[in-house]
Amino acid sequence: EAGVAQSPRYKIIEKRQSVAFWCNPISGHATLYWYQQILGQGPKLLIQFQNNGVVDDSQLPKDRFSAERLKGVDSTLKIQPAKLEDSAVYLCASSLEGLATHEQYFGPGTRLTVT
Amino acid sequence: QKEVEQNSGPLSVPEGAIASLNCTYSDRGSQSFFWYRQYSGKSPELIMFIYSNGDKEDGRFTAQLNKASQYVSLLIRDSQPSDSATYLCAVRGAGRRALTFGSGTRLQVQP
Repeated sequence: EAGVAQSPRYKIIEKRQSVAFWCNPISGHATLYWYQQILGQGPKLLIQFQNNGVVDDSQLPKDRFSAERLKGVDSTLKIQPAKLEDSAVYLCASSLEGLATHEQYFGPGTRLTVT
Repeated sequence: QKEVEQNSGPLSVPEGAIASLNCTYSDRGSQSFFWYRQYSGKSPELIMFIYSNGDKEDGRFTAQLNKASQYVSLLIRDSQPSDSATYLCAVRGAGRRALTFGSGTRLQVQP
């Protein structure tokens, strides 16, 4: 079974530029999450999708971050304009509904450096 | 107060010893608790989850939960150098599926 795919793996941009990340979850997983992990910290939830709909985006900085999940499969996360403090690893995770564990499977992440 | 707190470490133990990792959480309504391992430069991978008070064992790993004290721990028996990593405690609150993570404890197992 293929895991969660993310691209690009690395991205370097200057502040005020825009950037987009892509995620393809495990086939059949209805729930998709985007986390931000700053160096030395644990992952922090940015947004959670259930199929096409947003379940939780309370910690998403909506003035600069946006995300969508078209057709309930792939998802993109965009930052516009980027700030220095956005330098982090952006992790996508997915989970299969109906299981008691609701285990989340993480992708390899996209490491963003804003200069 | 952080929602999920962990000692950042590093926790250094000799090979073959028991490593004890601790985590406290603030939300009394939290229902499920997870331990993830994260190697440097890699994404988190699930080691164990626990829902009920008491102990849960899986191979060399034992998770312990005490809801009254809002405390979760992970014991690693017969620690190996390959166990050297950051261990993240994660908590799922009532009615939520997303996880709240602690900052992690870095474990170093000395050969």
